[in-house]
Amino acid sequence: AQSVTQLDSQVPVFEEAPVELRCNYSSSVSVYLFWYVQYPNQGLQLLLKYLSGSTLVESINGFEAEFNKSQTSFHLRKPSVHISDTAEYFCAVSADQGAQKLVFGQGTRLTINP
Amino acid sequence: DTGVSQDPRHKITKRGQNVTFRCDPISEHNRLYWYRQTLGQGPEFLTYFQNEAQLEKSRLLSDRFSAERPKGSFSTLEIQRTEQGDSAMYLCASSFRGNYGYTFGSGTRLTVV
Repeated sequence: AQSVTQLDSQVPVFEEAPVELRCNYSSSVSVYLFWYVQYPNQGLQLLLKYLSGSTLVESINGFEAEFNKSQTSFHLRKPSVHISDTAEYFCAVSADQGAQKLVFGQGTRLTINP
Repeated sequence: DTGVSQDPRHKITKRGQNVTFRCDPISEHNRLYWYRQTLGQGPEFLTYFQNEAQLEKSRLLSDRFSAERPKGSFSTLEIQRTEQGDSAMYLCASSFRGNYGYTFGSGTRLTVV
């Protein structure tokens, strides 16, 4: 079975500051890793995913995450945040075979202050 | 591609009543998933279909819950004899086998009073 721990439930930052949202996972099998974003009153949207290959993956809106197998981490970073990045961010893991059901962390609420 | 649609968006029901939610996945997606999300928590897996076959159910899915996907297209999730603990956001997602990373619907928010 897999599990995910998001180490921070809330992260407040100032606009244009860098941010890191931390995610650690545990699994006895190979996994795929995902970050989803949930804007207020909206559904979950896939932000980025790691399946294989380069351990650094990027999204179209400036976020990036790095898969670190030895530390079982998949932290999400952005060098300069905007007000529009205010949302709940969920890290998720799935086994690389079978149903590929997702196991989610508890989420990190990112609040951007002007 | 109109995305994943869920209906209704909100449902308020009295304890003990039955409710049914509908999910219309992206048309070419053969996998469909149901998740439940309570306040302050990440979504939790409930069940999954490949085409019309229900292949896995979570232990969270008690006997009061039943899901169907009769023709491999839309799906319904029914909760019988609702309890206050059933209050949550019910999320549907779909994917195409071999693709990783679902498309989620906007969810149905259930409030049991």
